[in-house]
Amino acid sequence: EAGVTQSPTHLIKTRGQQATLRCSPISGHTSVYWYQQALGLGLQFLLWYDEGEERNRGNFPPRFSGRQFPNYSSELNVNALELEDSALYLCASSLVLQGWGNTFGSGTRLTVV
Amino acid sequence: TQLLEQSPQFLSIQEGENLTVYCNSSSVFSSLQWYRQEPGEGPVLLVTVVTGGEVKKLKRLTFQFGDARKDSSLHITAAQPGDTGLYLCAGGYSTLTFGKGTMLLVSP
Repeated sequence: EAGVTQSPTHLIKTRGQQATLRCSPISGHTSVYWYQQALGLGLQFLLWYDEGEERNRGNFPPRFSGRQFPNYSSELNVNALELEDSALYLCASSLVLQGWGNTFGSGTRLTVV
Repeated sequence: TQLLEQSPQFLSIQEGENLTVYCNSSSVFSSLQWYRQEPGEGPVLLVTVVTGGEVKKLKRLTFQFGDARKDSSLHITAAQPGDTGLYLCAGGYSTLTFGKGTMLLVSP
């Protein structure tokens, strides 16, 4: 069974640009979660999608947004990139409302220069 | 805001030693999870504890959830170099609150 897959593995962007990160959950999982892991800050919850709807949002500005597609894959968009957005962005999936037992992907390393 | 404090932040030990890492909060959590993360990879779930006072064992790893469901510990017996990694505790049900982790280095 394929795990959670994220693309691209690495992404380098210039300040002010937009970044798009993609995530494919484990087959059968309907919930997708996005987390940011920045140096010194630990993992911080960004967004939760389930059945195509945004269910919860962490303490991040509106320029962090995303969506979930009918096949449950998800996209995270970061607009107007800032240097401090440089981080590892992790996607996790789980069965609907079974919050524990999240399976994480290997992440996208975003570097803003 | 629920916070999880992990200690120690960094631990360097020799192969064969025992160790305990801690995860503490002032808030009650419905469940706590422990993950291990290796460089360049996402966290891998080790265990979920749900009931206060619960103890779970995973080979040489023993996980305990505090009676009040505010704290947890991870004990490793006879550590091996393969145990090296960042150990993270996380609390919550759907959206998780993570501690900053304990970086464990086990030297041969």
